[in-house]
Amino acid sequence: EDKVVQSPLSLVVHEGDTVTLNCSYEVTNFRSLLWYKQEKKAPTFLFMLTSSGIEKKSGRLSSILDKKELFSILNITATQTGDSAVYLCAVAPLDRQGAQKLVFGQGTRLTINP
Amino acid sequence: DTEVTQTPKHLVMGMTNKKSLKCEQHMGHRAMYWYKQKAKKPPELMFVYSYEKLSINESVPSRFSPECPNSSLLNLHLHALQPEDSALYLCASSPGTGYLNEKLFFGSGTQLSVL
Repeated sequence: EDKVVQSPLSLVVHEGDTVTLNCSYEVTNFRSLLWYKQEKKAPTFLFMLTSSGIEKKSGRLSSILDKKELFSILNITATQTGDSAVYLCAVAPLDRQGAQKLVFGQGTRLTINP
Repeated sequence: DTEVTQTPKHLVMGMTNKKSLKCEQHMGHRAMYWYKQKAKKPPELMFVYSYEKLSINESVPSRFSPECPNSSLLNLHLHALQPEDSALYLCASSPGTGYLNEKLFFGSGTQLSVL
């Protein structure tokens, strides 16, 4: 069975700290790995990774994938209170008939204290 | 327009009521999804429509009935729900094929309470 495991499940840090969120996966036919941020309701897209070793960056956020060791990390530097959210990792198996069946991890609840 | 719009935002219903959740997107996406999310849990896939045809039903009870009237609209009809069905119901869409098909765009959800 396809599986995605995130760690830690919960993290509390002070504003300005750097955090690393982890995501490991077991998927029969891997296509891509995605990171989403969920603050209140709608998960919003952060990154999609398909190739090993290529870092994706967006401002203070960055992510990298290791397809050999089957994991990804999401880094956030100089954290701000607005980064407080649940960060979801999801893996997409190979496309099946146009519909995607993402496998989600449990999420990491990140709290940034001022 | 990269939005997925869901209505209503909040819904309270009794176990004998019939109600519908609505979802709309104008990104030209051809795959649309219903997810259910309980508090502090990840989203769970319920249904997927691909090119207006139901392609995935994750063994969802028949008291949930999806409908895709056209490529922009997705409904979820609710009837005789149970209190344990209370959750956030998220709609999402994706291109339907090709590169970036797995990049789902989510709506803000309908917070459903069943009394």
